[in-house]
Amino acid sequence: DVVMTQTPPSLSVAIGQSVSISCKSSQSLVYSDGKTYLHWLLQSSGRSPKRLIYQVSNLDSGVPDRFSGTGSQKDFTLKISRVEAKDLGVYYCAQTTHFPPTFGGGTKLELK
Amino acid sequence: QVQLKETGPGLVQPTQTLSITCTVSGFSLTSYYMQWVRQTPGKGLEWMGFIRSGGSTEYNSEFKSRLSISRDTSKNQVFLKMNSLKTEDTGVYYCASYGGYVDYWGQGVMVTVSS
Repeated sequence: DVVMTQTPPSLSVAIGQSVSISCKSSQSLVYSDGKTYLHWLLQSSGRSPKRLIYQVSNLDSGVPDRFSGTGSQKDFTLKISRVEAKDLGVYYCAQTTHFPPTFGGGTKLELK
Repeated sequence: QVQLKETGPGLVQPTQTLSITCTVSGFSLTSYYMQWVRQTPGKGLEWMGFIRSGGSTEYNSEFKSRLSISRDTSKNQVFLKMNSLKTEDTGVYYCASYGGYVDYWGQGVMVTVSS
């Protein structure tokens, strides 16, 4: 299975700051169709996960453009600009390029 | 309005079978793949399997021998059945859409495996 490694495991941030989360995969996530199926999800406290970004950089409907995703092959980054209180929670990267789909261990974003 | 709701037993004894129903509204199961994902203290988020819009299934080999996913399109329901439960299967079980340009998740159902 593809191993997804997220760093850091936790982040303390002040409101208004910007943060970045790294996600590295054990194999290239480029599929045979040329697309890269790397996604980012947020799980707010007590809630189910919710996808924010699909295929590296495409924002899901309703996700503010303070969120951005970049990367290629095996190395990906989620950036959150001007963090707001509602952004707090655990962020996961996930890949659906290879079977079975796998998730990173999560990065907990907390208030400083 | 899209809604997914999982219903299940809450408490299951070791070696017994877990059955969870996911009832969806606002979209058709014949248009979306539906997956099951669980979240356990030991392993975090784990993908369990999915049922395609056409009705065929794929399973994570981690669960393959004891997991079954099915559906009833007339009732807009997706089912998870997993046998030979162990205490390590304790966690929250989610149904969700899979792939595509939209992403829907249920609220999850907590399952405790204990005697």
